[in-house]
Amino acid sequence: QKEVEQDPGPLSVPEGAIVSLNCTYSNSAFQYFMWYRQYSRKGPELLMYTYSSGNKEDGRFTAQVDKSSKYISLFIRDSQPSDSATYLCAAVKVRGGGADGLTFGKGTHLIIQP
Amino acid sequence: GAGVSQSPSNKVTEKGKDVELRCDPISGHTALYWYRQSLGQGLEFLIYFQGNSAPDKSGLPSDRFSAERTGGSVSTLTIQRTQQEDSAVYLCASSSLSPRSTNYGYTFGSGTRLTVV
Repeated sequence: QKEVEQDPGPLSVPEGAIVSLNCTYSNSAFQYFMWYRQYSRKGPELLMYTYSSGNKEDGRFTAQVDKSSKYISLFIRDSQPSDSATYLCAAVKVRGGGADGLTFGKGTHLIIQP
Repeated sequence: GAGVSQSPSNKVTEKGKDVELRCDPISGHTALYWYRQSLGQGLEFLIYFQGNSAPDKSGLPSDRFSAERTGGSVSTLTIQRTQQEDSAVYLCASSSLSPRSTNYGYTFGSGTRLTVV
């Protein structure tokens, strides 16, 4: 079992819909969680970063972490065709003064239909 | 520079040849990571450099892979005797912030697409 699981999709929704992207993780040592967006032939770019359980909102994006169920979500409101990309969840453990490398899910390919 | 720079952007090599991939992180970033991204496999951690500490090489898939970081800045990932299964996008990321910072996150380069024929 991979430490971070994510459905690869593709997930196709009409423009304007609310999108829900999800990941589960198995290691309780993960303390920080992130969502990255990756366009074709580009590197991932950081979208959202969360530490504790709860919600964090940034514009049309809301990240949610439930540590009790080890569940991570990203919601996109009023989805746009420009949101079409691969979305990767990531988790990181912290040891001592530094961090391990990020552990990524496989990414979900999202398609917003105009 | 303004971002993480990787070169070359594309590399085609013959099986058995050695290749070197370069990463120029954001100036001042103390942490540098190499990842490999293959179709259907997601992002795979390879190696992590943090300041002057010994690198974390736990993700390197075989002894054909090695990496170094000179002067705490530029890093080179070397793959010796390349095999077809080494074909992937190799991504470099850098970070200067502690994970405890509210703006913590890695900045990725655009990657080097390696094709072994």
